[in-house]
Amino acid sequence: GENVEQHPSTLSVQEGDSAVIKCTYSDSASNYFPWYKQELGKGPQLIIDIRSNVGEKKDQRIAVTLNKTAKHFSLHITETQPEDSAVYFCAAHGDSGGYQKVTFGTGTKLQVIP
Amino acid sequence: EAQVTQNPRYLITVTGKKLTVTCSQNMNHEYMSWYRQDPGLGLRQIYYSMNVEVTDKGDVPEGYKVSRKEKRNFPLILESPSPNQTSLYFCASSFTAGAQAFFGQGTRLTVV
Repeated sequence: GENVEQHPSTLSVQEGDSAVIKCTYSDSASNYFPWYKQELGKGPQLIIDIRSNVGEKKDQRIAVTLNKTAKHFSLHITETQPEDSAVYFCAAHGDSGGYQKVTFGTGTKLQVIP
Repeated sequence: EAQVTQNPRYLITVTGKKLTVTCSQNMNHEYMSWYRQDPGLGLRQIYYSMNVEVTDKGDVPEGYKVSRKEKRNFPLILESPSPNQTSLYFCASSFTAGAQAFFGQGTRLTVV
């Protein structure tokens, strides 16, 4: 089955700096890679996603890059703000042998220091 | 308002007492999932459903059952809960497999 590794598990940055979170996956059949932000006491919410036919996607201060050959994808947050503090999860979704599972990374707790 | 609704939000139960956590979505989504969230382990998929009457196991299905008799509802059933099922549970739905998932607010379950 799919295995998704996420690093780092915690990340502290100064306000205004950039933050990068990296994920690797194992199943080459995975074709959809979303990133979710989870605030305390809430369910995860999608912040950006990318499909396997695209190498990079950007939405204002947030960008995601995908390297299919190396099987890794990364979340980039620029000009971080205190409200970016949360837990971030990557995920990989694949169509493998008719199964449509979703595998999440273990999460990164981002702290933005004012 | 488009949403995924889980009930209850909090539940404390005893070992072996059957329970059901309900999940309902109002977005006409085909794909629905249940996850459990444990510290250091992230979210792990328990079961998913591609559509009505179509369900399949995720990565941690042992001790759980689901059903999908209507498109909007996807209940999670614990027939004989055990303490190792103490966790935070999330239901999610998406238009189709491989699309943005919308999560419920979570159900914190404690089995004593």
